[in-house]
Amino acid sequence: DSGVTQTPKHLITATGQRVTLRCSPRSGDLSVYWYQQSLDQGLQFLIQYYNGEERAKGNILERFSAQQFPDLHSELNLSSLELGDSALYFCASSVAGTSWNEQFFGPGTRLTVL
Amino acid sequence: DQQVKQNSPSLSVQEGRISILNCDYTNSMFDYFLWYKKYPAEGPTFLISISSIKDKNEDGRFTVFLNKSAKHLSLHIVPSQPGDSAVYFCAASVPGGTSYGKLTFGQGTILTVHP
Repeated sequence: DSGVTQTPKHLITATGQRVTLRCSPRSGDLSVYWYQQSLDQGLQFLIQYYNGEERAKGNILERFSAQQFPDLHSELNLSSLELGDSALYFCASSVAGTSWNEQFFGPGTRLTVL
Repeated sequence: DQQVKQNSPSLSVQEGRISILNCDYTNSMFDYFLWYKKYPAEGPTFLISISSIKDKNEDGRFTVFLNKSAKHLSLHIVPSQPGDSAVYFCAASVPGGTSYGKLTFGQGTILTVHP
């Protein structure tokens, strides 16, 4: 158990809908990261927050947005869902937001868009 | 543009023998490298890391070697155990700037250790 929790574990929804994925980092970690793992791709970095502020952005679609709240939990919002958004979404956390910190991953949320 | 590549999709090894997983990268700005292990239905688990100022880092049965001139790193597992059977991901990061803690992952190698 990494100490990172993600809810829900599974999510099934329809095209055009909007969903919210939630992540609670390990106790003491200030930085949260979101990654997407599609069937035919490795883990792709989406976005990073550090202590409530956006720190780095990857190839995140405009339909996707995220935020980190004062209690440090984070939410990833996916809207106007398409079939291609079906994937595993992982949240990770680390103590700081630098490149030399190991990131600890949650169990993931499996999103299925029908 | 695949900046981190794991060219072997799978590797099969006998229990007790050495497992060698390889990873190549193209971005010379990468200065920190990590290996993660992933079991089905779980998130990746951190295994071992190495900074670019070193060429070797050891932790128990796991050793990571870094060859900067060849832009190549490898993970050695000795001795291999059936419980090591999992997907192994190589990852890399650049120092600071707009990328901060972003990890760039390889596609993964499925390791199977036979009893």
